[in-house]
Amino acid sequence: DAGVTQSPTHLIKTRGQQVTLRCSPKSGHDTVSWYQQALGQGPQFIFQYYEEEERQRGNFPDRFSGHQFPNYSSELNVNALLLGDSALYLCASSPDRGLYGYTFGSGTRLTVV
Amino acid sequence: AQRVTQPEKLLSVFKGAPVELKCNYSYSGSPELFWYVQYSRQRLQLLLRHISRESIKGFTADLNKGETSFHLKKPFAQEEDSAMYYCALKDNQGGKLIFGQGTELSVKP
Repeated sequence: DAGVTQSPTHLIKTRGQQVTLRCSPKSGHDTVSWYQQALGQGPQFIFQYYEEEERQRGNFPDRFSGHQFPNYSSELNVNALLLGDSALYLCASSPDRGLYGYTFGSGTRLTVV
Repeated sequence: AQRVTQPEKLLSVFKGAPVELKCNYSYSGSPELFWYVQYSRQRLQLLLRHISRESIKGFTADLNKGETSFHLKKPFAQEEDSAMYYCALKDNQGGKLIFGQGTELSVKP
């Protein structure tokens, strides 16, 4: 089992552009959460998907949106990129909505220039 | 407000010394707490969950509701324990994790 896989690993975008990040959860996991981790900070919750619906959302603007597919994989979309969106974006999955913790991916490093 | 505080950004100890990484939380309700660890160039991984009351790699953590703390302890630090440690609180309403800012543990030989 490859665990949680994220793509791409690194990405450079220009301010104002749009970006899509992808996540495949660990086998058997149906809940996917996305986090943003700025340099030197702990991860910040963006949103969580379960049964293809957004179930919980953190304090992020509407520029951040997501989707979950029937196979439980997920996408994070960010529109109108700002320099401050530069961060490591982490995907985490769980079989039980996090009851016993989440499995994290290695992340996508997004740089906005 | 839900919050996790890790007061130390860096903790440096010598091999064989005891280690205590501090974590305090603010949460109205019954908290579920976790410790995650990130070794150099590796992904974030679950170390401990308080509901399991387990010991992993010699680390333990006890939930103290009176002091709203969940400190991580190990009696004898090893060099391979050097890593970034994050304390996290699970929001029981929806399952999101609220992380502290992390403590970097450096174990010197």
